[in-house]
Amino acid sequence: AQSVTQLDSHVSVSEGTPVLLRCNYSSSYSPSLFWYVQHPNKGLQLLLKYTSAATLVKGINGFEAEFKKSETSFHLTKPSAHMSDAAEYFCVVSDSGGSNYKLTFGKGTLLTVNP
Amino acid sequence: SAVISQKPSRDICQRGTSLTIQCQVDSQVTMMFWYRQQPGQSLTLIATANQGSEATYESGFVIDKFPISRPNLTFSTLTVSNMSPEDSSIYLCSAQRGGRVTEAFFGQGTRLTVV
Repeated sequence: AQSVTQLDSHVSVSEGTPVLLRCNYSSSYSPSLFWYVQHPNKGLQLLLKYTSAATLVKGINGFEAEFKKSETSFHLTKPSAHMSDAAEYFCVVSDSGGSNYKLTFGKGTLLTVNP
Repeated sequence: SAVISQKPSRDICQRGTSLTIQCQVDSQVTMMFWYRQQPGQSLTLIATANQGSEATYESGFVIDKFPISRPNLTFSTLTVSNMSPEDSSIYLCSAQRGGRVTEAFFGQGTRLTVV
């Protein structure tokens, strides 16, 4: 079984300050982990993915995430927020070790960026 | 990557009617899925669309309500049958190439309002 918990439903930051979106996961196998972003009235876009290679993963638009097995975490960070980062972010897990490639989505974190 | 075209992009339907949503991928993919995203919520998997055979439904979703077709490796349809206002949601198609682990690509979604 797999599950993912996004610890904050809403995060508000000022433009130019760091962003931290927290995610914890549970997986029966070696997990694959993803972060997706959804801008208002837009589809889902992949930010980055972890697939058992380097634990620090760099994505698009300056985002990165670190896989920490001991903490079962995959937090998303960005050094400096931009107004265009305002969106809903989803942490997603997939049990890549099993035959099940289904994705399980977290409940999402709404990121607000204040000028 | 894969580009997914979904149509219609939005519709307003009368209760008791049915709507068929089409999903076209620009290249062959191993797996296709249908998700529902209720207002302000995360994504919930409805079913896995299997090519040439019956779809595999998640708990809480049944074929009579959400019949799915997948005649080939690039196309799938989802029908929302006998609609009620509770079916008002965004419906998203996604595709994965398969292999050990791959990210999912998403269509823009179909925003359905049932009145």
